[in-house]
Order: sequence, then C-alpha cells, then structure tokens
Amino acid sequence: GAVVSQHPSWVICKSGTSVKIECRSLDFQATTMFWYRQFPKQSLMLMATSNEGSKATYEQGVEKDKFLINHASLTLSTLTVTSAHPEDSSFYICSARDLGAEPAGWKQLWSYNEQFFGPGTRLTVL
Amino acid sequence: AQKVTQAQTEISVVEKEDVTLDCVYETRDTTYYLFWYKQPPSGELVFLIRRNSFDEQNEISGRYSWNFQKSTSSFNFTITASQVVDSAVYFCALSERGIQGAQKLVFGQGTRLTINP
Repeated sequence: GAVVSQHPSWVICKSGTSVKIECRSLDFQATTMFWYRQFPKQSLMLMATSNEGSKATYEQGVEKDKFLINHASLTLSTLTVTSAHPEDSSFYICSARDLGAEPAGWKQLWSYNEQFFGPGTRLTVL
Repeated sequence: AQKVTQAQTEISVVEKEDVTLDCVYETRDTTYYLFWYKQPPSGELVFLIRRNSFDEQNEISGRYSWNFQKSTSSFNFTITASQVVDSAVYFCALSERGIQGAQKLVFGQGTRLTINP
C-alpha cells in the first residue's frame, strides 16, 4: 500500500511553454501533498505544501505565479510550470500524506503522519 | 530554524568495508522526527528509518544501524560489510511536530556513497 505515482516520469519541452506534472496517491487519500525540487547533485528543497480544496502554501523564494499548484481531490495534485525556462530544468518530486493515518486528540501532538514519495519527474527545458 | 548538515559530500570505500554517514541537526522544538532516505540513480527516494526525539535507542536492521545522540544532535548511519548495491546518495532529514500537520521535511545536502568492488 501507500503508493504515490507521478506523471510524466520525464518531459522535455521548449523554453516558454508550460508543463503540467501530476501526483497521485493510488491507494490512499491525501489531504496534504508536498512538492520538492532537486537540482543535479543537490538536495531536495520544499517548494510548496498543497492542501486539498485550498490554496497551496509556497516556501520563501518560490514564485507562486510560475509554479501553479492545484489539489482538486484527495488523490491528485498537479504542478504546472508556466513559461518554463532552462533554469527550471530539475527533478520534481511529490509526496503525499495519508489521511487515514491522521492521529486524533492528544496523539496528534506526538504522532508523525507518514509522507510517501513519488518516483519523481525529470524536466528538461531546451 | 531547522537545519540538517551532512558534512560528507562523497564517500568511496571498497566492498565489505564498514562506513558511517554523519548527520547533525538543529531544531528549537522538543518534539521532532529524524529520517534517513536512500536515493539510487533512478531518483526515487527509498525510506530507511524514522526516529522520534523521545526515542534515543539505537536501531539495527540487518547491515544497517543508526546511532541517535540528542546530546550532540547527531543521527549517524552505519552500513556494515558494505555492498556495491549500497551505492547511492543518502539523505538525512528532519521534521518538526506540527499541530496542524504541516510537518515539513528539511533535508541535508546528501552524501554520495560509492562502494567499489
């Protein structure tokens, strides 16, 4: 269980075009999904936190108008890179948190809600 | 602010050697979680372990072991009798408790481990 998929696994596009990446939780419902970006030989950096039915929360320095996030259902979040440029070329990874694992009451203060990672999408902008 | 430091950028050893990957973290919270992930060349993150701040017991899983020391804010990872298949980038990560459930992960810079035959 707890499988997260991403589509596409890789994409090559021309500069100036927009690219949409999908993140799906296949066997569980996720109120929260996270989007990370990883440049070559670097660490994963959180871009934004996506909550189902509400606006995403972006990390400092991430342009919300350039990286559009939509979390329309409990199993799908999308990241659209608008007007992509070569510097946007990166490995984009999403993770999803299992709604069913949400602890209640006092347990919420102690428990961790497991994040499950997708396989990543490699974006190359020419 | 949270911070995770993996000082070793790259490590190269010969197969069957033991190797330890260091991880030092900074957090102001008293409740937090520490993780190790493996990232093989395919790019997919493989979860290895999660440890909460109240549990300082060391853990062993096969050839893998973890040493959590709150006094030095370290969470080191040791591979015993390394194998070529262990070659990957290893990330240490930290997540702070969030009542509303934010629980964002902060990753270290990663250590690229190469096991030579």
